[in-house]
Amino acid sequence: QVQLVESGGGVVQPGRSLRLSCAASGFTFSSYGMHWVRQAPGKGLEWVAVIWYDGSNKYYADSVKGRFTISRDNSKNTLYLQMNSLRAEDTAVYYCARELEDYDILTGLFYWGQGTLVTVSS
Amino acid sequence: ETTLTQSPAFMSATPGDKVNISCKASQDIDDDMNWYQQKPGEAAIFIIQEATTLVPGISPRFSGSGYGTDFTLTINNIESEDAAYYFCLQHDNFPLTFGGGTKVEIK
Repeated sequence: QVQLVESGGGVVQPGRSLRLSCAASGFTFSSYGMHWVRQAPGKGLEWVAVIWYDGSNKYYADSVKGRFTISRDNSKNTLYLQMNSLRAEDTAVYYCARELEDYDILTGLFYWGQGTLVTVSS
Repeated sequence: ETTLTQSPAFMSATPGDKVNISCKASQDIDDDMNWYQQKPGEAAIFIIQEATTLVPGISPRFSGSGYGTDFTLTINNIESEDAAYYFCLQHDNFPLTFGGGTKVEIK
């Protein structure tokens, strides 16, 4: 069955960096666009970034543009989120999610991971 | 950016009730609306796609309606296992946006 397992969360000081990973299994990872979505404590969900199935295109939320980088290694079935210049407002549970349809984008999010908590605090 | 206004934020239902959750989009998104269920510590589950289509494997007590800007998730004959956080997602345009979520409690 499809599994998405996030890792790499933790407590980090403002201004520092952190890299999240999302290990995928149960489907052909290289065929699907992948997203990062986050949820701050007590708040709603916020879309963060998307990467095309082949890594050819990436889009970001304005709130993270220039600080976060989404990437993928299709040989390792793994999605990444490099987070630099972290701020207190980046504190959230970060989820990875897979597109509904292969070789396409904006088809909706089908599978989600359970999330990893990032806390930005001094 | 398409804003999604979801209501109510919280509801308490009795087993057997019919529950409606609304999601209103700030602009026309055709039927590019999905609904999800999430329980604490678990991955979100995809329950309704393209506004009205039940995702395979999901209980038929769930249904979706709407098109354009007004959408509704309906849970018929609600059961205790339906206690969860429900949210809508528009995938018509970037950035993807979400409704504020609805916490459903079962009495």
